[in-house]
Amino acid sequence: KQEVTQIPAALSVPEGENLVLNCSFTDSAIYNLQWFRQDPGKGLTSLLLIQSSQREQTSGRLNASLDKSSGRSTLYIAASQPGDSATYLCAVNLAGGGNKLTFGTGTQLKVEL
Amino acid sequence: GAVVSQHPSRVICKSGTSVKIECRSLDFQATTMFWYRQFPKQSLMLMATSNEGSKATYEQGVEKDKFLINHASLTLSTLTVTSAHPEDSSFYICSATRLAGGSSYEQYFGPGTRLTVT
Repeated sequence: KQEVTQIPAALSVPEGENLVLNCSFTDSAIYNLQWFRQDPGKGLTSLLLIQSSQREQTSGRLNASLDKSSGRSTLYIAASQPGDSATYLCAVNLAGGGNKLTFGTGTQLKVEL
Repeated sequence: GAVVSQHPSRVICKSGTSVKIECRSLDFQATTMFWYRQFPKQSLMLMATSNEGSKATYEQGVEKDKFLINHASLTLSTLTVTSAHPEDSSFYICSATRLAGGSSYEQYFGPGTRLTVT
């Protein structure tokens, strides 16, 4: 059974800092991995999707990397802003799993002024 | 593109009544939709997989007679919580899949529905 863990569970940083969120998964046979953002009481916003054959994806100040063999992904946020405050979730799409996503436990980020 | 809507966004119902939640893919056709529930400060838990024109597949521990899913078209899936009880109060989120490349699919999520059963 695929298990997805995110570290840290919560993080508070001052504005402007660069930060890294970590995601690890136990079964490396994945199709892809997605990073999402969730604001309180809201749905999920997809940030980045990395295919199993890719090593990284970038979108603006966000960069996600994937090391499938070691079962790890990181989300790098450059020059953090208060508007980045949210819960960040990673989710893996297991190969042969019918496109089901297994979600991580989430990292609650707070960027302070 | 790839917008998914849910209706209603919030609903309060009395114990014993049924509630229907709609999930629509607005600008693409989705052969597969998923239904999740999320308890406060917890991650999403998959409830069921909904395929257009066929019966939904439920995850272990999810009562199919309580959570009725209908996927009548390529853009609409509905979740009906039957005989709702306070413990069914939760945040329900749907997603719709679209081909992302090769045989890999990307899921797009709706804004969620907050159900409160009194």
